Amino acid sequence: AQKVTQAQTEISVVEKEDVTLDCVYETRDTTYYLFWYKQPPSGELVFLIRRNSFDEQNEISGRYSWNFQKSTSSFNFTITASQVVDSAVYFCALSAMANFGNEKLTFGTGTRLTIIP
Amino acid sequence: KAGVTQTPRYLIKTRGQQVTLSCSPISGHRSVSWYQQTPGQGLQFLFEYFSETQRNKGNFPGRFSGRQFSNSRSEMNVSTLELGDSALYLCASSARHLTLIYEQYFGPGTRLTVT
Repeated sequence: AQKVTQAQTEISVVEKEDVTLDCVYETRDTTYYLFWYKQPPSGELVFLIRRNSFDEQNEISGRYSWNFQKSTSSFNFTITASQVVDSAVYFCALSAMANFGNEKLTFGTGTRLTIIP
Repeated sequence: KAGVTQTPRYLIKTRGQQVTLSCSPISGHRSVSWYQQTPGQGLQFLFEYFSETQRNKGNFPGRFSGRQFSNSRSEMNVSTLELGDSALYLCASSARHLTLIYEQYFGPGTRLTVT
């Protein structure tokens, strides 16, 4: 069974502050993929990043960065110098390779991020 | 490239009725997955179709069904609607490969309200 936990239900920060969203996952599979999605008020899930279980390199994309640590089963997401447009619900998700090409995504419950101007 | 499209965007139905939702994937994507999003249960996987075959199914009753056409477009059907079926139904497509997992791209969703 797979499980994704996002313990932070809601976070509010003042604009330009840095913020980290936590994600902890559980899976028995040795090969798996982790994802982050953003859901703005419009409702559409926007893909942010995909990371496979063999690649523990941290990744930076502009103001976004991700920290993947297999030892703690965590895949945390940091937004640097937050902006009002970053306000959204952020979901962490997991997909395992128990069955080849298994496309099922297991989502966390999401973290609602509010950036205060 | 055009994104994933879903129709209709909003739907109001009465208990006991049935409903069909439609999803057109990104051009070239052959995998289509469906998810239900509710405030109480969050995002839950319904099923996935690839090459017109259901490859994976979530824990939903048989009232929820789907199909995929040869052009990869997919439909989802819910029969005998219940109040608890009120939700945002999201469709996602991906460039599925047998030994790799690709990211899924989501459509805007269909907001279904059952009264």
